[in-house]
Amino acid sequence: AQSVTQLDSQVPVFEEAPVELRCNYSSSVSVYLFWYVQYPNQGLQLLLKYLSGSTLVKGINGFEAEFNKSQTSFHLRKPSVHISDTAEYFCAVIVFGNEKLTFGTGTRLTIIP
Amino acid sequence: DAGVIQSPRHEVTEMGQEVTLRCKPISGHNSLFWYRQTMMRGLELLIYFNNNVPIDDSGMPEDRFSAKMPNASFSTLKIQPSEPRDSAVYFCASSGKEASYNEQFFGPGTRLTVL
Repeated sequence: AQSVTQLDSQVPVFEEAPVELRCNYSSSVSVYLFWYVQYPNQGLQLLLKYLSGSTLVKGINGFEAEFNKSQTSFHLRKPSVHISDTAEYFCAVIVFGNEKLTFGTGTRLTIIP
Repeated sequence: DAGVIQSPRHEVTEMGQEVTLRCKPISGHNSLFWYRQTMMRGLELLIYFNNNVPIDDSGMPEDRFSAKMPNASFSTLKIQPSEPRDSAVYFCASSGKEASYNEQFFGPGTRLTVL
């Protein structure tokens, strides 16, 4: 079975500073990888996804992530954060041919003015 | 497109009462998912349907929970009887097999409080 680990439950970052949210996965078969964002009192929204091809994936709101197969990682990055990026971020995987998303426990990103 | 629609947005009920949560998926999507989110357990998949047929209900906590999808545009999640530990935010999501393969679109959620 596949699993997703987000080691950082909370990440405080100063406004306009860079940020990296870590995600590692475990699976014996190939997977698709996703990052979702949840703003306060809202549902989840897709930030970006890796299906195949280039390992550097760009998403909405200036976020990007890099798939590293050897390290089984899919870390999320943004070069300069804004107050509006305050949210909870979830990494998730789907095994090829399946439809069940397995989510990590989430990382709460807090932007300090 | 209206997105995934859930109702009610908030529900407060007393222990022992029946609760019904509703979901309308995005038109044309053929898969529908019910999730529960709590502080303690995070996001849990309860059940999912494909073409209105339940495929995997292994996440349903116990017999008090049931879900139906009578047609492609409507699904319900029912809890009977409800208990305080069922308090959570319940999300519905849908997906379709187009270019955005396997992307799930989430509704705004129903916040359930059982007193």
